[in-house]
Amino acid sequence: QSVLTQPPSVSGAPGQRVAISCTGSRSNIGAGYDVHWYQQLPGTAPKVLIYGNSNRPSGVPGRFSASRSGSSASLVITGLQAEDEADYYCQSYDNSLSGSRVFGGGTTLTVL
Amino acid sequence: QVQLQESGPGLVKPSETLSLTCTVSGASISNYYWSWIRQPPGKGLEYIGSIFYSGSTNYNPSLKSRVTISVDTSKSQFSLKLTSVTAADTAIYYCARATQGDYWYFDLWGRGTLVTVSA
Repeated sequence: QSVLTQPPSVSGAPGQRVAISCTGSRSNIGAGYDVHWYQQLPGTAPKVLIYGNSNRPSGVPGRFSASRSGSSASLVITGLQAEDEADYYCQSYDNSLSGSRVFGGGTTLTVL
Repeated sequence: QVQLQESGPGLVKPSETLSLTCTVSGASISNYYWSWIRQPPGKGLEYIGSIFYSGSTNYNPSLKSRVTISVDTSKSQFSLKLTSVTAADTAIYYCARATQGDYWYFDLWGRGTLVTVSA
């Protein structure tokens, strides 16, 4: 049971828009801690997709955006492409039990 | 080009200690946090812990009693020890770098190494 809750799967057709939610609580996202998003393509290590709630590292397409509000965060992908098929993870910090970085359970994106 | 490379045994017996090393190349090990993250086969990511180059550590509370992370700046390496392993510790183990600027996130990852716990 992950501290941050994500839907196990989402899907969309090429060109469509999909959103992945990340729901936390008052000890993590709700406490104001930043949310970061990672993309893990099949058989590879994760890579950072969004950092600091809404910032894209250089090289990440503008089709990827994210936001944080209250105890939740969302990753939005517009103009879906076949190569976006991957697992997506949110990550934040939790201040309970002496504090630790925490990940969401991950969401598998299928491009139909 | 900064690279991280995990190394260590791919098979560990139950109740023994899992030991892995991550070698950092292409950049200084100073001024960053260095972390271990694992992923059981077919499952999600789990944070294990981090160490600052100066030696201060932060561990996942659920693993804290079994985990030790250390750093050797002279060799540009940091290491993970996980004691009393069981089959539940079978996973791909990633080493990663975390920034310490305005945002604390994992900006660079190793390719990962699979460790299987089995007799």
